[in-house]
Amino acid sequence: NAGVTQTPKFQVLKTGQSMTLQCAQDMNHEYMSWYRQDPGMGLRLIHYSVGAGITDQGEVPNGYNVSRSTTEDFPLRLLSAAPSQTSVYFCASSPTHSGTGVYGYTFGSGTRLTVV
Amino acid sequence: GENVEQHPSTLSVQEGDSAVIKCTYSDSASNYFPWYKQELGKGPQLIIDIRSNVGEKKDQRIAVTLNKTAKHFSLHITETQPEDSAVYFCAASGGGNNRLAFGKGNQVVVIP
Repeated sequence: NAGVTQTPKFQVLKTGQSMTLQCAQDMNHEYMSWYRQDPGMGLRLIHYSVGAGITDQGEVPNGYNVSRSTTEDFPLRLLSAAPSQTSVYFCASSPTHSGTGVYGYTFGSGTRLTVV
Repeated sequence: GENVEQHPSTLSVQEGDSAVIKCTYSDSASNYFPWYKQELGKGPQLIIDIRSNVGEKKDQRIAVTLNKTAKHFSLHITETQPEDSAVYFCAASGGGNNRLAFGKGNQVVVIP
């Protein structure tokens, strides 16, 4: 049971390049989400998914795309990287709302992205 | 949507003393309040959580209290140790669809 696995751990991109950050979980969690963490800003939600085939925007979605073709995987795509997207990105997953409330998230170890 | 605020931003304590971090939330409908610990270079890790039908929950040296009337909840760490040094995030359920709103985090430094 590996939990939430993110790859790569580090990445440097040039402005305008595109790339995909990978996220996979083996806990059969239906809910998955992407956050970015910047100094003094806490964790800001980019996109989230409540199950395969369903995605929605968070508070900072511009410049990012997601898809959810399987329960296990939730990749985050940067369409045309900009220096403002330099950040640490975290993927998280949890069981879904079951009527008793939200459940705690399991986070991956993060991807540190630098755009030059 | 839900708005969560944490105070203070940085907290320094002597080893063995207690540390308390307080968070306030805005949405009275929120019913789940987790706390996460983030060590340097790692992802946040859930350390304790509480639901709105409970006023207090303890797990060894950590505890969380919830005041629904005042809309605030607090993390208490007793007998602090150097390994407690980390950033702590509070969160509250809000926005529907399993979403959590996070505070900006508190840096806790335990001085040996």
